[in-house]
Amino acid sequence: AQRVTQPEKLLSVFKGAPVELKCNYSYSGSPELFWYVQYSRQRLQLLLRHISRESIKGFTADLNKGETSFHLKKPFAQEEDSAMYYCALSGPLTYKYIFGTGTRLKVLA
Amino acid sequence: NAGVTQTPKFQVLKTGQSMTLQCAQDMNHNSMYWYRQDPGMGLRLIYYSASEGTTDKGEVPNGYNVSRLNKREFSLRLESAAPSQTSVYFCASSEGQLSGANVLTFGAGSRLTVL
Repeated sequence: AQRVTQPEKLLSVFKGAPVELKCNYSYSGSPELFWYVQYSRQRLQLLLRHISRESIKGFTADLNKGETSFHLKKPFAQEEDSAMYYCALSGPLTYKYIFGTGTRLKVLA
Repeated sequence: NAGVTQTPKFQVLKTGQSMTLQCAQDMNHNSMYWYRQDPGMGLRLIYYSASEGTTDKGEVPNGYNVSRLNKREFSLRLESAAPSQTSVYFCASSEGQLSGANVLTFGAGSRLTVL
């Protein structure tokens, strides 16, 4: 069964500290992994996707098929990074799109 | 561009009442989705429509019905609302291509309270 697990409900870090939001998944086949972000009073929006291998707002995520993980990382957190982050999974042969339970990131001054 | 538009933004219902949440997208997307967002449970897929004329159940379809009225519109109906359906509902759409990594575009959300 498809499943996305985000073990941390809340992650608090100080400004300038490194950040890692964990995401593990379960999927039979080759998944497509995404990170979405919801800033306060804004719509849920795409942050990055593994297929693009991009860095957005200093965030990166590497797909580790052996550990079935797609952790989101940033070397130096900023206060504006405070938001709700969702890891999501889809697949090349399905339209189904599954989200994890989300991690709220709080960056403290 | 409006993107994905949901109505209403807020609604209060009594148990047993019915209502329909409307969603429309103007991006010529093929696939549309309905999610509910609850504290501690994240986003859960209620129903989705891969393309016009098709609908499929997601993770939590019980108590809901959907209609893909045309390519632009995808409505979610609660026939007999229950307090457990108190939630924030999000509509989303994507290009819906099997060959690529589809990005979801979300609406602003509809906050529903069932008393």
